[in-house]
Amino acid sequence: GQSLEQPSEVTAVEGAIVQINCTYQTSGFYGLSWYQQHDGGAPTFLSYNGLDGLEETGRFSSFLSRSDSYGYLLLQELQMKDSASYFCAVRERRSSASKIIFGSGTRLSIRP
Amino acid sequence: AAGVIQSPRHLIKEKRETATLKCYPIPRHDTVYWYQQGPGQDPQFLISFYEKMQSDKGSIPDRFSAQQFSDYHSELNMSSLELGDSALYFCASMGTGSYNEQFFGPGTRLTVL
Repeated sequence: GQSLEQPSEVTAVEGAIVQINCTYQTSGFYGLSWYQQHDGGAPTFLSYNGLDGLEETGRFSSFLSRSDSYGYLLLQELQMKDSASYFCAVRERRSSASKIIFGSGTRLSIRP
Repeated sequence: AAGVIQSPRHLIKEKRETATLKCYPIPRHDTVYWYQQGPGQDPQFLISFYEKMQSDKGSIPDRFSAQQFSDYHSELNMSSLELGDSALYFCASMGTGSYNEQFFGPGTRLTVL
């Protein structure tokens, strides 16, 4: 079957660093993306990894290891506004508009 | 900058009624996705379109249908509504040559009574 596994909840302290892991099992793989979603809001794109390695965008970094079917999102210098749900998502095929599967999401809570 | 527009933002229907949700992608974006998201759940892929042609189908019930029109806007038609159809419905668009970044609309909250 197809599945993306993420921790359901993570709690961290303001100013700290947190890592959210994602392991996937899909019929195909053409990249791992990360999305942030605040309560009642729409998902917003954070990052994409098509190849192995680390991608850095400001306070957020994302890593992919295709051989391990594993990736993670790293959030540094946590701020209260980072409290949200984070989803990893896999595109299965290269073709345009191909199906995208989302993980179940990780709810990140930030404490002062 | 222009964003994805969805209408209506909120919709209340009775069981067995019909609903039509509309999505207006970002200008020059040729790909549209529809998702259904229940409370506390991840977005579930329903269907996608590229250049007005259906590309992929996910967990979309037979009671639902969708299409993309010549101006690239898309409509999701839902018939014989059930209580379980109550959810947030998101539309997302993507530009040519972009295989990763989807831009999501604000969503339509459908409540079936």
